[in-house]
Amino acid sequence: EIVLSQSPDFQSVTPKEKVTITCRASQDIDSNLHWYQQKPGQSPKLLIKYASQSFSGVPSRFSGSGSGTDFTLTINSLEPEDAATYFCHQSNSLPFTFGGGTKVEIK
Amino acid sequence: EVQLVQSGAEVKKPGQSLKISCKGSGDGFNKYWIAWVRQVPGKGLEWMGLIYPGDSDTRYSPSFQGQITLSADKSISTVYLRWRSLQASDTAMYYCARIGTGYYDWFDPWGQGTLVTVSS
Repeated sequence: EIVLSQSPDFQSVTPKEKVTITCRASQDIDSNLHWYQQKPGQSPKLLIKYASQSFSGVPSRFSGSGSGTDFTLTINSLEPEDAATYFCHQSNSLPFTFGGGTKVEIK
Repeated sequence: EVQLVQSGAEVKKPGQSLKISCKGSGDGFNKYWIAWVRQVPGKGLEWMGLIYPGDSDTRYSPSFQGQITLSADKSISTVYLRWRSLQASDTAMYYCARIGTGYYDWFDPWGQGTLVTVSS
C-alpha cells in the first residue's frame, strides 16, 4: 500500500498570504496524485488532478506541482473562503490512499 | 453534468444490516466507475472500494474486503454499499464519488454523504 504523508497537519494563515502544502508518497507514483478541498460539513471537491492540472472552475490561485514522490499544493494569496482541509490522493495503484489532510485556518 | 445523490442518515444497532445508496443523474452514469470513501468524524478519508455500474465489476480495499458488499442497479443508475453486521466502529460519513475515466483516476463529483451511526 502506498502511504501519503502530508505536512503540515495544521496551518494558520492571514489573508493574502501564500500557503504551501506538501504530500510525500512512499514510492514513485509518477503524476497520479490529486488534491481535494473539504470545507466543514461539505463533501470533498477536486482542485488539482494529475499533480498540476487545474480542475474546471477552480480559482487560479490554486496550483500543484511535483512528480514521483514529492508533491506540492500552493494557494497564492489566500482568501477567507479557502478555510478548509486539503487532502492528497494517489490513483497510481490499488488500494487508493489519501494523505492525512492539512487544515488551513484563517487568522 | 453528473450529480450523485445519496440516501439519508441512518442510525443502527450493532449487529444490524444496512444498505445505503448513491443515485446518479445525468448522462453516462453507467459508463464510469464509482468509488466509496469512508470518513470517520474529524478524521481523514479512506478508500473502501469501487464498482462499475455497467456490469457490476468491483474492486475492494483489503481493509474492507469481506466487511462490505458493493452492488449496482444500472436500470436506475444507482450503486449500493451494504453491511451484513454493523459494528460501532462503522460509525462514519460515507461518500460515493465518480471516478474520472477508467478507475486509476481522480474522484469528482462526490455525493453529499450518508452519515451512519451505530450505537446500542
